[in-house]
Amino acid sequence: DAGITQSPRHKVTETGTPVTLRCHQTENHRYMYWYRQDPGHGLRLIHYSYGVKDTDKGEVSDGYSVSRSKTEDFLLTLESATSSQTSVYFCAITQSRELSGNTIYFGEGSWLTVV
Amino acid sequence: KQEVTQIPAALSVPEGENLVLNCSFTDSAIYNLQWFRQDPGKGLTSLLLIQSSQREQTSGRLNASLDKSSGRSTLYIAASQPGDSATYLCAVGGDSNYQLIWGAGTKLIIKP
Repeated sequence: DAGITQSPRHKVTETGTPVTLRCHQTENHRYMYWYRQDPGHGLRLIHYSYGVKDTDKGEVSDGYSVSRSKTEDFLLTLESATSSQTSVYFCAITQSRELSGNTIYFGEGSWLTVV
Repeated sequence: KQEVTQIPAALSVPEGENLVLNCSFTDSAIYNLQWFRQDPGKGLTSLLLIQSSQREQTSGRLNASLDKSSGRSTLYIAASQPGDSATYLCAVGGDSNYQLIWGAGTKLIIKP
C-alpha cells in the first residue's frame, strides 16, 4: 500500500468554524489531490497540487483553500465550514500527470460532519 | 460536459456467478478509463486502466472492456467470491488536465 496518511480520520465541527485536513505521503510523489465523495455524486476534485507551492482549483473549489509547503504534505482548509461541506474527503497522489495512466493512490479518507 | 453513469447502484448475486458491471459516458473523446474498488471505510484501489486505443484489459478474474463509440465500459468478474463485495467505481480521463470524471459506483454484494 502507498504511504498516505490522512488526519483527522473523523471530525465533527460546528458551522462557521475553520477546519484543516492534512494529507501526508511518504512516496515522494509530485502530484497530490483532494477529492470529496458524496452519495450519488462519485468523487469530485476540489484542488490539486503539481509541486511545492503550486496548486490549482478543481471542479468544486468554492469554500476551500489548500497549501503545500513540503512535498509530503498537502493541507485542505475549510475557512468557515458549512453543512454542505459534510462529506468524506480523500487525498490522492500520482507520480506524474493524472491522465498519463500512472497509478493513482488514495488515502483512507476523512469523515467530516458539520453541524 | 462529460457525465459518467453506473447502473445499477447496487447489485446482489450468489457466490460463484459471473457478473458484469456497467459504466457509460456521454463524450466519447476520452483519454482513458479506469475501474476502482472501494471497501467500506477505506480509500480506493485501482483495478484496471484502459487507454483510449485499447479495447480491453485483464487482471486475474477481472476483465474490463471499452467501447468508445457507444460510450460504454464493462467490468466482468468471473466466479465471484464474497471477498469481491465492495463498491466499484469507474472514472473517465478526458481532455482537461488533472481531471478524472467519476461515476457514483455500483455497490456489489456477493452472497455466500
